[in-house]
Amino acid sequence: AQSVTQLDSHVSVSEGTPVLLRCNYSSSYSPSLFWYVQHPNKGLQLLLKYTSAATLVKGINGFEAEFKKSETSFHLTKPSAHMSDAAEYFCVVTGYNTDKLIFGTGTRLQVFP
Amino acid sequence: EPEVTQTPSHQVTQMGQEVILRCVPISNHLYFYWYRQILGQKVEFLVSFYNNEISEKSEIFDDQFSVERPDGSNFTLKIRSTKLEDSAMYFCASRPTGTGGTEQYFGPGTRLTVT
Repeated sequence: AQSVTQLDSHVSVSEGTPVLLRCNYSSSYSPSLFWYVQHPNKGLQLLLKYTSAATLVKGINGFEAEFKKSETSFHLTKPSAHMSDAAEYFCVVTGYNTDKLIFGTGTRLQVFP
Repeated sequence: EPEVTQTPSHQVTQMGQEVILRCVPISNHLYFYWYRQILGQKVEFLVSFYNNEISEKSEIFDDQFSVERPDGSNFTLKIRSTKLEDSAMYFCASRPTGTGGTEQYFGPGTRLTVT
């Protein structure tokens, strides 16, 4: 069965420093992978998606993620954190032969001034 | 920018009562979904809906749950007789048809508290 594991429940960074949120996936086929972000009292917003095209995917707000099949990873990065990046981030995979989304447990990103 | 809306933002109900959670998907979308997130747990898929019928449902989505698209804009989730364990954040999502990609667009959620 398809699944994702987010390796950190909390990540804290200083403003202006790089962000790395880690995600490993498990899938018996070539998956579609997503990163969603949830700001307090807001809906889940799509940051970026991978659907078997370019392995380096660029998203909104300066985020990007690299699909590494050999490592079964899809880590989210940003070169320089901003205070507004503080939120909950979810790594998501689609199920096999279905469009339902399978979520990771989430990583809470804190950004300190 | 079009967005999915949900009402109410917070619903408190007593155990055994019926609740209806409402969603207005993005207007040109035809696939609709409900997910839920129990506090401290993962977001879980409940049901998908297309062409006025359920296309897939999870084991959570038992006979106490139902979905409906009563008109051209609303998409509702009904819980017939709520239990304490139904307390959760419920998210509605929608996506366009065709080759628009597989991403789903989510609403802000309804927090359901069953007492």
